[in-house]
Amino acid sequence: SQTIHQWPATLVQPVGSPLSLECTVEGTSNPNLYWYRQAAGRGLQLLFYSVGIGQISSEVPQNLSASRPQDRQFILSSKKLLLSDSGFYLCAWSVQPNQPQHFGDGTRLSIL
Amino acid sequence: AQTVTQSQPEMSVQEAETVTLSCTYDTSESNYYLFWYKQPPSRQMILVIRQEAYKQQNATENRFSVNFQKAAKSFSLKISDSQLGDTAMYFCAFLVRPNSGGSNYKLTFGKGTLLTVNP
Repeated sequence: SQTIHQWPATLVQPVGSPLSLECTVEGTSNPNLYWYRQAAGRGLQLLFYSVGIGQISSEVPQNLSASRPQDRQFILSSKKLLLSDSGFYLCAWSVQPNQPQHFGDGTRLSIL
Repeated sequence: AQTVTQSQPEMSVQEAETVTLSCTYDTSESNYYLFWYKQPPSRQMILVIRQEAYKQQNATENRFSVNFQKAAKSFSLKISDSQLGDTAMYFCAFLVRPNSGGSNYKLTFGKGTLLTVNP
């Protein structure tokens, strides 16, 4: 069966520091991968999605970037974190773009 | 642009009772899919049920069922025999493929309904 792993679960970082959140999927090949941010008390906002290695699409301009160095690995990064980057970040995967997305456990990011 | 509206920020129901969560959406596209996701206090996002827009029959998954009214662009979730473990934030989500084709599907979420099941 397919599983998705996302880490770390919780992260506290100072303003201006770099960020790297990692997500990996097991049990499938060439998944579609997604990064979302969930602000407190709100729905999910799609940040990036990828249909293949090295193929990244950005949905909103921001302080973040994403990379997909391997088929089942998706990384969310920032060179300098802002206070507004605080939130709950979720990674997700799907078999095809029109199939349901399955989510990781999320990373709670707090910026001080 | 696609929008998803959940008009009930919070709801509560007694254990074993039935509750219906509302969702409406707006799109000019013809090919799309609808989902309900559940996010318990653990924050994990869990798929509850899905509905393809081209199917007239309402989807059912055990105690969960939907009332899909395509003309009204309505997609409500009914939870029967509510259980304490159903307490969670419920998100309606809408997946659309633009008529221009390609793989650029986009999943749009509503703001959620916090459901509390009381003993």
